[in-house]
Amino acid sequence: AQRVTQPEKLLSVFKGAPVELKCNYSYSGSPELFWYVQYSRQRLQLLLRHISRESIKGFTADLNKGETSFHLKKPFAQEEDSAMYYCALSGRAAGNKLTFGGGTRVLVKP
Amino acid sequence: EPEVTQTPSHQVTQMGQEVILRCVPISNHLYFYWYRQILGQKVEFLVSFYNNEISEKSEIFDDQFSVERPDGSNFTLKIRSTKLEDSAMYFCASGRKGDGQPQHFGDGTRLSIL
Repeated sequence: AQRVTQPEKLLSVFKGAPVELKCNYSYSGSPELFWYVQYSRQRLQLLLRHISRESIKGFTADLNKGETSFHLKKPFAQEEDSAMYYCALSGRAAGNKLTFGGGTRVLVKP
Repeated sequence: EPEVTQTPSHQVTQMGQEVILRCVPISNHLYFYWYRQILGQKVEFLVSFYNNEISEKSEIFDDQFSVERPDGSNFTLKIRSTKLEDSAMYFCASGRKGDGQPQHFGDGTRLSIL
C-alpha cells in the first residue's frame, strides 16, 4: 500500500532563512508526487508536481527515487510562506487517488 | 481561473440524519473525487468517480455513503444515517485526466454531527 510520511508537524523559521520540508513515500510503481499548500482559511492549492521540475514561489522539490523522498525547499523564506504544506502521492497503481502526508505547518517569523 | 465550488460551507446535523454535500467541479474536468479530513488527522481519500460510475472507493466509503452526478454540473456526496465520527471537513476535487494529473480542490464543507 502507498504511504506518505511528513516527519515534521511544525517548522518555525525566521524570515530570510532557508526552509526544507521533508517528505518520504512508499509506493510500488512509478509515483507522481505533489506538494499542496493551504494558506489560512483557503483551499488546498497545488504548489508543485515533480514531473514539471519547475520552481513556484521560490520553492523547488526533487524526486529522489533511491531515497524515496520528495523534499520541498526554499532558500529564503518569506512571511507569506506561512501555511500548511501537504505532500501527496498518486499514480496508476494507486488508482490515481491522492494519498496525503500528515502535513507540516510552516511558521515564518519576522 | 475556474474553481471547484462546494456548498454548504458548514453543515450541522443531528446524528442519524441524512446529509447531502454538493460540489460543482471545473467544467471540462472528467474525474471527480471526495476526500475528508477529521480534525487533527490526514486528508483521506473516500471515492473517485469517472464516466458516471465509481472508479475506486476506500474502506471508509461504506454502504452509508453514496455519490451521484445528477446533471452535467453537480457532484454530490450523500451520507444516509450520520454518525458522530462522520464529523470532518469534506473536500471535493476534480481533474481533467486521471494518470496522476493534478487535482483541484474546493474550499470544503465542514460537517458537524451532534
